[in-house]
Amino acid sequence: AQSVTQLGSHVSVSEGALVLLRCNYSSSVPPYLFWYVQYPNQGLQLLLKYTTGATLVKGINGFEAEFKKSETSFHLTKPSAHMSDAAEYFCAAHFGNEKLTFGTGTRLTIIP
Amino acid sequence: GAVVSQHPSWVICKSGTSVKIECRSLDFQATTMFWYRQFPKQSLMLMATSNEGSKATYEQGVEKDKFLINHASLTLSTLTVTSAHPEDSSFYICSAGYRDRGPGYTFGSGTRLTVV
Repeated sequence: AQSVTQLGSHVSVSEGALVLLRCNYSSSVPPYLFWYVQYPNQGLQLLLKYTTGATLVKGINGFEAEFKKSETSFHLTKPSAHMSDAAEYFCAAHFGNEKLTFGTGTRLTIIP
Repeated sequence: GAVVSQHPSWVICKSGTSVKIECRSLDFQATTMFWYRQFPKQSLMLMATSNEGSKATYEQGVEKDKFLINHASLTLSTLTVTSAHPEDSSFYICSAGYRDRGPGYTFGSGTRLTVV
């Protein structure tokens, strides 16, 4: 079955430290992949997406993600965490059936 | 570009009444609109997919008579929660599909519904 898995429902990092949020997908054909951020009581904002081409994708707010077909992964990273990065992050995939399949989300906490 | 405006941001209604939530695509034509429900500290649960001019397709377990979806134009989709009950209290989010160097999805800002 096609699915998206986010390892770690909660991740805490110190301000200025590396942020790494993990996302793996399950599919025989590589999907289009997305990372979204959600702040409390708000909708989802697109950070970045991978469709085709370059496997290292740069997004907004200093985030980037690398598509690794061999590992079926699309991990999100940011070199230096800011307090404003504290939020819920969702990885999602488009498996070709029109709708998005979401992971369960990762809550990122930044420690001052 | 690809902005979706969702209203209201929050609404409180009495049990037994109906509530309408609107989503408008401001600068593009949304041929497909998705409606999600989100419980506290959980991921988004897809309720239904609507295509302009046709009936919505509901996910398994979602009551189509309770959650009425209308997508009469390329810029407006509405979700009406009929005869609302406290268990319908939740955060509802719409999303519009678009095509821009591959499929894309833009989300509304969400509606916090509280039924008292």
